Amino acid sequence: AQSVTQLDSHVSVSEGTPVLLRCNYSSSYSPSLFWYVQHPNKGLQLLLKYTSAATLVKGINGFEAEFKKSETSFHLTKPSAHMSDAAEYFCVVRTSSGGSYIPTFGRGTSLIVHP
Amino acid sequence: EAQVTQNPRYLITVTGKKLTVTCSQNMNHEYMSWYRQDPGLGLRQIYYSMNVEVTDKGDVPEGYKVSRKEKRNFPLILESPSPNQTSLYFCASSLSLQGLNTEAFFGQGTRLTVV
Repeated sequence: AQSVTQLDSHVSVSEGTPVLLRCNYSSSYSPSLFWYVQHPNKGLQLLLKYTSAATLVKGINGFEAEFKKSETSFHLTKPSAHMSDAAEYFCVVRTSSGGSYIPTFGRGTSLIVHP
Repeated sequence: EAQVTQNPRYLITVTGKKLTVTCSQNMNHEYMSWYRQDPGLGLRQIYYSMNVEVTDKGDVPEGYKVSRKEKRNFPLILESPSPNQTSLYFCASSLSLQGLNTEAFFGQGTRLTVV
């Protein structure tokens, strides 16, 4: 069984300040983890993914995430928020279940960026 | 351009009137799926398909049907829509379900309102 918990439904930051979006997962097997971003009235776009290579993963638009097995976490960070980062962010976990890898989505974190 | 195309983008219908939301991908992907997105609940999987003529239920299949007669198309059918099916729907595809690091590509979404 697998699950993913996004710890904050909303995160509010000022432009130019750091961003931290938190994600914890549970999984019976070694997981793959993804972060997707959804801008208003748009589909989901892949930001980055962890697939058991380097634990620090760099994605698009200056985002990165660190896989911490001991903490079962995959938090998303960015050093300096931009107004265009305002969007909904989803953490996704995939593990093997009967030979296939059905993804499970978190409930999403809405990032609000103030000028 | 690689893409997943959903139609229509917006739909308002009445209770009980059958409707179909189409989804098409041009990437020769094996795996396709449908999700619904509701506030505070994230994305929940309705149905998925691992290949032509192979479909299976996701987490919330009640009230929905799908078919996969061709690799590129995966329509979502609501035989008798009800107001609780008012939601934002996303179609997604990926190369295959096998392989942890396979990312999903999403359509732009269909906003359905059932009155």
